[in-house]
Amino acid sequence: QVQLVQSGPEVRKPGVSVKVSCRGSGYTFTTYDIHWVRQATGQGLEWMGWMNPHTGNTDYAQKFQGRVTMTSDTSINTAYLELSSLTSEDTAVYYCARAPFPSDFWGQGTLVTVSS
Amino acid sequence: DIVMTQTPLSSPVTLGQPASISCRSSQSLEKGDGKTYLSWLQQRPGQPPRPLIYQISKRFPGVPDRFSGSGAGTDFTLTISRVEAEDVGVYLCTQATQFPFTFGQGTKLEI
Repeated sequence: QVQLVQSGPEVRKPGVSVKVSCRGSGYTFTTYDIHWVRQATGQGLEWMGWMNPHTGNTDYAQKFQGRVTMTSDTSINTAYLELSSLTSEDTAVYYCARAPFPSDFWGQGTLVTVSS
Repeated sequence: DIVMTQTPLSSPVTLGQPASISCRSSQSLEKGDGKTYLSWLQQRPGQPPRPLIYQISKRFPGVPDRFSGSGAGTDFTLTISRVEAEDVGVYLCTQATQFPFTFGQGTKLEI
């Protein structure tokens, strides 16, 4: 069955970066784009962008341009989200989701806490 | 960016009774291919969103038929024909017609 399994919770200080992983299984990883969505505690959902694991093509929401990098390692069926220059406003649960968006296939979420 | 506005933000409901949630987009969600990429999601605390409806009215596999979607252009509605206890949660509309994809604020359904 299709599964997306994300890496565990992270704690970072302001100003540094974090990298979250999302490993796909049960399907051909390079066939489907991966989207990233985040949700601050008690807040709504925010789409961050997508990447094509086969081509490496990406499209980021303007809000995150210059701070976000989405990559993949197709040898281990894993997508990555890296967010730099973290602030407290980046404290959120980060989800990966398989295309087409929204699909039935989401990761379990990764809590990133930014605190000094 | 397309702004998605949901009403109401909170909806007390009675078990066995119908419930509906509205979603309005700031511009038409019909894409050049003739399809309208409006979906509805359900979210329970601590869980990722679960898609219920896509392209206005198509149910995802496994979604009970008491959930239905309707609408066109900029105005859309999610209807639950008879609310069950397991339906408690937050419901969100989302558009995938134009980047960046955007979401409604969410409607909290509570018994």
